Amino acid sequence: AQSVSQHNHHVILSEAASLELGCNYSYGGTVNLFWYVQYPGQHLQLLLKYFSGDPLVKGIKGFEAEFIKSKFSFNLRKPSVQWSDTAEYFCAVKTGANNLFFGTGTRLTVIP
Amino acid sequence: NAGVTQTPKFRVLKTGQSMTLLCAQDMNHEYMYWYRQDPGMGLRLIHYSVGEGTTAKGEVPDGYNVSRLKKQNFLLGLESAAPSQTSVYFCASRLGTSGYQETQYFGPGTRLLVL
Repeated sequence: AQSVSQHNHHVILSEAASLELGCNYSYGGTVNLFWYVQYPGQHLQLLLKYFSGDPLVKGIKGFEAEFIKSKFSFNLRKPSVQWSDTAEYFCAVKTGANNLFFGTGTRLTVIP
Repeated sequence: NAGVTQTPKFRVLKTGQSMTLLCAQDMNHEYMYWYRQDPGMGLRLIHYSVGEGTTAKGEVPDGYNVSRLKKQNFLLGLESAAPSQTSVYFCASRLGTSGYQETQYFGPGTRLLVL
């Protein structure tokens, strides 16, 4: 069965620190990859997505992610986090027409 | 556009009671989804619909039924609620199956507590 792993459950950073959240998936075929963010009390919003082409994708709010096919990874990065980035981040992998699998999420706390 | 809306926002049920959660979208999206979100488990797909009048089972369909009588609405029903169904339920929709149409848009969630 397909699975999506987010190994960091809770990350605590100070403002201006760099961020990297890991995402690995287990599926050998073609995938579409997503990062969603859920701010406290709000619904999930799309941060960025990868379908094909350049494996380095840029999203909103200065986030980017790199698809490394050989490592089955799609890690999320931001050079300098802000307090407003405090949220829960979900990696998701789409393997078929309607199969979107989510990771368990990583809670990010940014300390001012 | 209101996007994806969900009704109600919060509900408390007793074991054995029934209820229906309503999801509505005003974006003319073909595909609609119901997920549940539990601590430490991410989002899991309950049921989905690829168009008006169609429904299909997702990863965790047991104990739930759905209906898509109108394109803009997707209903999730619990016939006999159980404490294991305490969760946050999210509805999502997407336009189609290629490119930008693949992106799912989520509703604000319904928090359900079953006692």
